[in-house]
Amino acid sequence: AQSVTQPDIHITVSEGASLELRCNYSYGATPYLFWYVQSPGQGLQLLLKYFSGDTLVQGIKGFEAEFKRSQSSFNLRKPSVHWSDAAEYFCAVSGAGSYQLTFGKGTKLSVIP
Amino acid sequence: DARVTQTPRHKVTEMGQEVTMRCQPILGHNTVFWYRQTMMQGLELLAYFRNRAPLDDSGMPKDRFSAEMPDATLATLKIQPSEPRDSAVYFCASGLVRTLSYEQYFGPGTRLTVT
Repeated sequence: AQSVTQPDIHITVSEGASLELRCNYSYGATPYLFWYVQSPGQGLQLLLKYFSGDTLVQGIKGFEAEFKRSQSSFNLRKPSVHWSDAAEYFCAVSGAGSYQLTFGKGTKLSVIP
Repeated sequence: DARVTQTPRHKVTEMGQEVTMRCQPILGHNTVFWYRQTMMQGLELLAYFRNRAPLDDSGMPKDRFSAEMPDATLATLKIQPSEPRDSAVYFCASGLVRTLSYEQYFGPGTRLTVT
């Protein structure tokens, strides 16, 4: 069965600092990987996705993520965090022929001015 | 700007009452998903449809939950009778399944409180 682990429940960073959110997945075949962001009271918005090809993917709002097959990881990064990035971030996995997403429990990001 | 819409946004009801949540997927999308989000369980897939046909509803308590797509512009999730443990945020998402590429677009959710 597929699964996603986000080891950090809550992270606090200062505005302007760099950010890395961790995601580890378990999937029996080639994974499709996603990062979503959820602002309070809102639905989930897709930040970026990886299906194949270049293992470093760029997303919206200045985010990027790197797929590392050997580590079963898909960590999300941003070089300089803005106060508006405060939200909850979800990593998800799926695969070819499967339309189901399995989500991690999420990492809540707080940004200190 | 195409969006998934959900109604109602908030619902408070008493235990035992019927609850119906509605979702309008993005026009042209052929797949619709229902998720439930709670603090304890996170995001759970309840059911999903492709071309209006139910593909998987194994995540849904069958005795009280039902999901339907009466037409391509409307998906419904019904709980009857509702229980306090059903309190959660219910999200609908839609997507256009294409070979090797698909994304799910989420609605704003329905926050359900059962007292």
